[in-house]
Amino acid sequence: EAGVTQSPTHLIKTRGQQVTLRCSPISGHTSVYWYQQALGLGLQFLLWYDEGEERNRGNFPPRFSGRQFPNYSSELNVNALELEDSALYLCASSGESEGNYGYTFGSGTRLTVV
Amino acid sequence: GDSVTQMEGPVTLSEEAFLTINCTYTATGYPSLFWYVQYPGEGLQLLLKATKADDKGSNKGFEATYRKETTSFHLEKGSVQVSDSAVYFCALSDAGAGSYQLTFGKGTKLSVIP
Repeated sequence: EAGVTQSPTHLIKTRGQQVTLRCSPISGHTSVYWYQQALGLGLQFLLWYDEGEERNRGNFPPRFSGRQFPNYSSELNVNALELEDSALYLCASSGESEGNYGYTFGSGTRLTVV
Repeated sequence: GDSVTQMEGPVTLSEEAFLTINCTYTATGYPSLFWYVQYPGEGLQLLLKATKADDKGSNKGFEATYRKETTSFHLEKGSVQVSDSAVYFCALSDAGAGSYQLTFGKGTKLSVIP
């Protein structure tokens, strides 16, 4: 069974640009979660999507947004990139088959803003 | 809101030493508790979990017991190996309170020396 896949694995962007990160959940999982892991700041919750809708949002500015598609894959968009957006962005999925207690993480996208 | 506090690192141990990483939590509901491990350059892997009081999660020689009376979920291993060197994150989800996303502690870096 394929795990959670994220793309791209690495990218470099210039301050002010926009970026889109992608996540494909485990087959059968309907929930997707996005986290930011910036150096020294631990894992910060960004967004939760379930059944195509945004269910919850962390304490991030509106330039962080996303969506979930009918096949449950998800995109995270970051507009007007700032240097402090440099981080590892992790996606996780979960499903009712695990009683929402099983969260499987992808390997992440390493974003560097210069 | 929900929060997780875990001991600050880094922790350096000799091979075969006993490991304890303390974790305490605050939650409005009745959370599920998790330990995740992150090896260098990788995403997060679920190490173990417990979903109700007095449950003991265990995996790869690691153990943690859900203690509701002390709101704790300390991670232990009797004999660490060099291959256990990683960052360990304690986390909770509070689905009963409608908070399905994971809330993480800041992580504890463990280095095991031969």
